[in-house]
Amino acid sequence: DTGVSQNPRHKITKRGQNVTFRCDPISEHNRLYWYRQTLGQGPEFLTYFQNEAQLEKSRLLSDRFSAERPKGSFSTLEIQRTEQGDSAMYLCASSTTGSEAFFGQGTRLTVV
Amino acid sequence: AQSVTQLGSHVSVSEGALVLLRCNYSSSVPPYLFWYVQYPNQGLQLLLKYTSAATLVKGINGFEAEFKKSETSFHLTKPSAHMSDAAEYFCAVSAGVGDDKIIFGKGTRLHILP
Repeated sequence: DTGVSQNPRHKITKRGQNVTFRCDPISEHNRLYWYRQTLGQGPEFLTYFQNEAQLEKSRLLSDRFSAERPKGSFSTLEIQRTEQGDSAMYLCASSTTGSEAFFGQGTRLTVV
Repeated sequence: AQSVTQLGSHVSVSEGALVLLRCNYSSSVPPYLFWYVQYPNQGLQLLLKYTSAATLVKGINGFEAEFKKSETSFHLTKPSAHMSDAAEYFCAVSAGVGDDKIIFGKGTRLHILP
């Protein structure tokens, strides 16, 4: 297995545009997580899935953010009407239940 | 709810000296605890994990951590620092199988002085 894969690696978008990121987890992993990391900070939990079910979404997360995992495999994270404050590294991770998470390389979003 | 506090956003040690990175956790249930490392422009890599077995956990690259319930701590140590240890280190906690989202601390940047 090649590990957790995220695409694109970098995204530059204009304020107000919508963006979508993709995460392909390790194939046998049933859990999938999305985090956001800004410079000098730890990863901030956004949401996570067990198979196709979204178990929890951070209360701090704006309604402009939505995530899906339609078939319990890959996942997408969409940000609508992007703002400059959305600029960050978006990290995806996967695991089996109760085990450690394996992280992808992340997608760096810059909103200009 | 689970949380972790990492004491010291920056730690500097001389090459060959002891590395000690501090982490205290808060959890309403027996926690799972993790240390991750992030090298510049790379993803997070697991160093070690505690999942209620042995309280002294050994990880990769000579690192180890000790779970102390009475102190709610999970400090990371390495006897002798190497230049290649310079990185950002994150302590993290989850509630285990029941609620296994992982919550991270703010991180400690480790600087190695020649």
